[in-house]
Amino acid sequence: DAGVIQSPRHEVTEMGQEVTLRCKPISGHNSLFWYRQTMMRGLELLIYFNNNVPIDDSGMPEDRFSAKMPNASFSTLKIQPSEPRDSAVYFCASSLTRRPYEQYFGPGTRLTVT
Amino acid sequence: AQSVAQPEDQVNVAEGNPLTVKCTYSVSGNPYLFWYVQYPNRGLQFLLKYITGDNLVKGSYGFEAEFNKSQTSFHLKKPSALVSDSALYFCAVRDKYSSASKIIFGSGTRLSIRP
Repeated sequence: DAGVIQSPRHEVTEMGQEVTLRCKPISGHNSLFWYRQTMMRGLELLIYFNNNVPIDDSGMPEDRFSAKMPNASFSTLKIQPSEPRDSAVYFCASSLTRRPYEQYFGPGTRLTVT
Repeated sequence: AQSVAQPEDQVNVAEGNPLTVKCTYSVSGNPYLFWYVQYPNRGLQFLLKYITGDNLVKGSYGFEAEFNKSQTSFHLKKPSALVSDSALYFCAVRDKYSSASKIIFGSGTRLSIRP
């Protein structure tokens, strides 16, 4: 099992640019979560999907952030335009509906916005 | 609101000694509680959960946690620490007010095991 796959692992971009983070969940998992981790704010849930449908996006900071899950094996988190305060590590996680609290995290994408 | 608190930012233990990482919770109704671990430059890994049943829950890597309803605590323990246990540990609780699957993480406790 390859685990949750995220790309890129590192992203450095300039303020105002569009950033797209990608995630491939574990095959067969039907819940997908996007988190953001910073020293100041800790680990924050941004949005999660169940069977490709967004269930709760209350954690998305503002309209600059958007997430999609076009199919069961792929999700994106997009920031447009990016700002320096978006610099963080972004994690994707997936789980089975019958074991929703045992989430499997990807290695994360470290985003730096200059 | 559902929440967990980890009162210690850092815990230092000598290898071979027992370790405890503290967590207290505040929930309405029956709590669903979890521990996760994060090794450097990695995503979080699930360690164990308490939903119902025995108050002492066993998990991965020799860790266990004790649910104490009267003290609203869910402390993580291990009888004999290893240097490889050094990591960031997160306590978490189910958000029962969300539609499903949402958990709320604590601020994390950095565990450092010295040889």
